[in-house]
Amino acid sequence: GAVVSQHPSWVICKSGTSVKIECRSLDFQATTMFWYRQFPKQSLMLMATSNEGSKATYEQGVEKDKFLINHASLTLSTLTVTSAHPEDSSFYICSARDRGLAGGYEQYFGPGTRLTVT
Amino acid sequence: EDQVTQSPEALRLQEGESSSLNCSYTVSGLRGLFWYRQDPGKGPEFLFTLYSAGEEKEKERLKATLTKKESFLHITAPKPEDSATYLCAGHTDKLIFGTGTRLQVFP
Repeated sequence: GAVVSQHPSWVICKSGTSVKIECRSLDFQATTMFWYRQFPKQSLMLMATSNEGSKATYEQGVEKDKFLINHASLTLSTLTVTSAHPEDSSFYICSARDRGLAGGYEQYFGPGTRLTVT
Repeated sequence: EDQVTQSPEALRLQEGESSSLNCSYTVSGLRGLFWYRQDPGKGPEFLFTLYSAGEEKEKERLKATLTKKESFLHITAPKPEDSATYLCAGHTDKLIFGTGTRLQVFP
């Protein structure tokens, strides 16, 4: 299967600072990438969808000025958490869509980034 | 409203004891039904995509099936390393996830 990487795998930052998380599709080109957030023992919550070269589409309730998403190329998307606060502490997971066999879609996930804001 | 429901929430099996996980969905304009495996502290690992009722796909001890209302993930003779949370998701223009089934397989 296709591989999606994320960096860093974990980060600790102080309240008020910004943190950037990178997501790369390693062996395929992803025209669409997604960012999710997951709380302990809960399912994934979609934050935003980004298409290469255009502005991200944010889900209802997600602050676009706080969670800046850039999809600059077909293999790289970044999520920047601006002015982070403790309530932003979470597990952030990116995902990339690849065209699968027979014209369908397959969507692959990165390993996740654990963000802790102190 | 589009919805995906998984059952049971948790399942404990003895090694070798086969069972099935259920995923019921009401998703308008469904383009596909995805199954993932997620280990603690990691991102979901892609298992299968099913596109039409009657379709079946297999991978090692796992077999996924799809009807017009639900999907099943059959686990045959599970091993302890199959322990994980299994997520299903309906695909429209985005994935709509169920809450998952936490599977524990004991030796």
